[in-house]
Amino acid sequence: NAGVTQTPKFQVLKTGQSMTLQCAQDMNHEYMSWYRQDPGMGLRLIHYSVGAGITDQGEVPNGYNVSRSTTEDFPLRLLSAAPSQTSVYFCASRTDVYEQYFGPGTRLTVT
Amino acid sequence: QQQVKQSPQSLIVQKGGISIINCAYENTAFDYFPWYQQFPGKGPALLIAIRPDVSEKKEGRFTISFNKSAKQFSLHIMDSQPGDSATYFCAASKQTGANNLFFGTGTRLTVIP
Repeated sequence: NAGVTQTPKFQVLKTGQSMTLQCAQDMNHEYMSWYRQDPGMGLRLIHYSVGAGITDQGEVPNGYNVSRSTTEDFPLRLLSAAPSQTSVYFCASRTDVYEQYFGPGTRLTVT
Repeated sequence: QQQVKQSPQSLIVQKGGISIINCAYENTAFDYFPWYQQFPGKGPALLIAIRPDVSEKKEGRFTISFNKSAKQFSLHIMDSQPGDSATYFCAASKQTGANNLFFGTGTRLTVIP
């Protein structure tokens, strides 16, 4: 049981490039979400999904897209990377109760 | 707008001392208040959580105190140890809708031997 896995662990992008951050969970959780963590800002919700085929925006969705075609996977796409998207990104999942399980994070730098 | 306000930003405590981190919220619909612990290079992990029907919850050296009328809750770490050095996040969510968690800005705790 691997829990929540994220790839890559580190990534450097140039401004304007696009990329996809991968997230997968093997706990059969319906709810999955993406957060970004910035110094002094805590964790802010980007997008979330309450099940396959259902996604919605969180607090800071601009510049990011998501899709949920399977229960296991919830990729986050950066459409045109900007320096303001330099951050650490965490994927999380949970059941219908409250404990969220976080992945190890992806550290993204946009130059 | 920050839904959950957390203080202090950083905290240094001697080994064996008590660490106290405070959080406040405005949305009275929140009904679940967890604390997450994060070590460097790792994702946050649930430490302890409370529902507003109780004023205190204790698990080992960790205690949450909850004041519903003041809309405040706090984490107390008794007999703090160097291994407790981490960043702590308070959070809040509500039962309706998607139950999204709203996090505080984090407190970096350092316990010195």
